[in-house]
Amino acid sequence: GAVVSQHPSWVICKSGTSVKIECRSLDFQATTMFWYRQFPKQSLMLMATSNEGSKATYEQGVEKDKFLINHASLTLSTLTVTSAHPEDSSFYICSARQPGQETEQYFGPGTRLTVT
Amino acid sequence: GQNIDQPTEMTATEGAIVQINCTYQTSGFNGLFWYQQHAGEAPTFLSYNVLDGLEEKGRFSSFLSRSKGYSYLLLKELQMKDSASYLCAVRDSNYQLIWGAGTKLIIKP
Repeated sequence: GAVVSQHPSWVICKSGTSVKIECRSLDFQATTMFWYRQFPKQSLMLMATSNEGSKATYEQGVEKDKFLINHASLTLSTLTVTSAHPEDSSFYICSARQPGQETEQYFGPGTRLTVT
Repeated sequence: GQNIDQPTEMTATEGAIVQINCTYQTSGFNGLFWYQQHAGEAPTFLSYNVLDGLEEKGRFSSFLSRSKGYSYLLLKELQMKDSASYLCAVRDSNYQLIWGAGTKLIIKP
């Protein structure tokens, strides 16, 4: 089956620093990847849709200059949280969709970010 | 606006059957998904319905009524490992997934 990995699985950083999270599709090429954020006891919130080779499409209310998304290859998308603040502490999950497959998104295991 | 409603929490007994309901109001409809999410983990895909009716997959079944904007997930022969949150998500006319807040299912021995 399709496997998506994320790295790191958890990270603690100081306020004001930047953190990069990687999302990789291991055994398929993903033209589209999605980045979600999930606060405790809440549902997933779509942050942005990342298309290989083009700029990401951000959801309303998500600051594109703060959450930098790069999808440079068909197997890798990165999310960089710039100038992190404690309120950015959350569970960040990526998912990927296989070309031509509309029924499923394959989720990465998530990255827990804690900003101190 | 777009809205997906599901109960916040449900409790059931090991070995029993539980039905988790989901109602939705979205701009367009291109399928409904159910995901299972254990605490601290990413969601895992359970089922997909795009036509009315019941889809059965082992102990889990999912039902859809598009005219009523309604779906349910049926879990049979409950096991302790089924304790998790169950997320209902609808794909709208823009092929975006709209997520419900999830139903936390607690299984008691």
